[in-house]
Amino acid sequence: SSELTQDPAVSVALGQTVRITCQGDSLRSYYASWYQQKPGQAPVLVIYGKNNRPSGIPDRFSGSSSGNTASLTITGAQAEDEADYYCNSRDSSGNHPVFGGGTKLTVL
Amino acid sequence: QVQLVESGGGLVKPGGSLRLSCAASGFTFSDYYMSWIRQAPGKGLEWVSYISSSGSTIYYADSVKGRFTISRDNAKNSLYLQMNSLRAEDTAVYYCARGSIAAPDPGYWGQGTLVTVSS
Repeated sequence: SSELTQDPAVSVALGQTVRITCQGDSLRSYYASWYQQKPGQAPVLVIYGKNNRPSGIPDRFSGSSSGNTASLTITGAQAEDEADYYCNSRDSSGNHPVFGGGTKLTVL
Repeated sequence: QVQLVESGGGLVKPGGSLRLSCAASGFTFSDYYMSWIRQAPGKGLEWVSYISSSGSTIYYADSVKGRFTISRDNAKNSLYLQMNSLRAEDTAVYYCARGSIAAPDPGYWGQGTLVTVSS
């Protein structure tokens, strides 16, 4: 099992706001990065650092962190946001990277 | 623009070997951490290995340590993964990914190459 824990599945109504969380002790010391993966495609970075979006990522995606939990928030979810989302940070030793188990987001 | 193109995947028997390659372009390859990350069918992402820009820092997941070897050729803008003693559980899409100058966390990914280990 991963040292970063994500809910396996989350759903959101079209146009509403959804928060996807990632829990782990290392998140008290390290930021998480977030990746979106659609079926049959490679992952795409959507959030990194404190709350940074790569060029081309819509501003409805944002990141935050509190204690041992990192969150990815989508404000006004669109149909095209339906995908798997993975967090990435460090393991409990802080030495090595690790992914969360992933969250499947369904937009209703 | 950053491009990462993997090659070398295919079908191999248990115990066999395979060498993956990743051709990089659109950035100064020798400045960046590079990684291999895999995804078994229907499963999540798993770190396999990463290498620093100079090759002085290398990491392997416990699941591949002693069987896989990562390397890079900065003159050829290429990343490699030599995979030996392959097992059925190594079956996955293998992604090449570019990190930053200081860390392996991927900012760019290739499209992946499928490795199938089966008799």
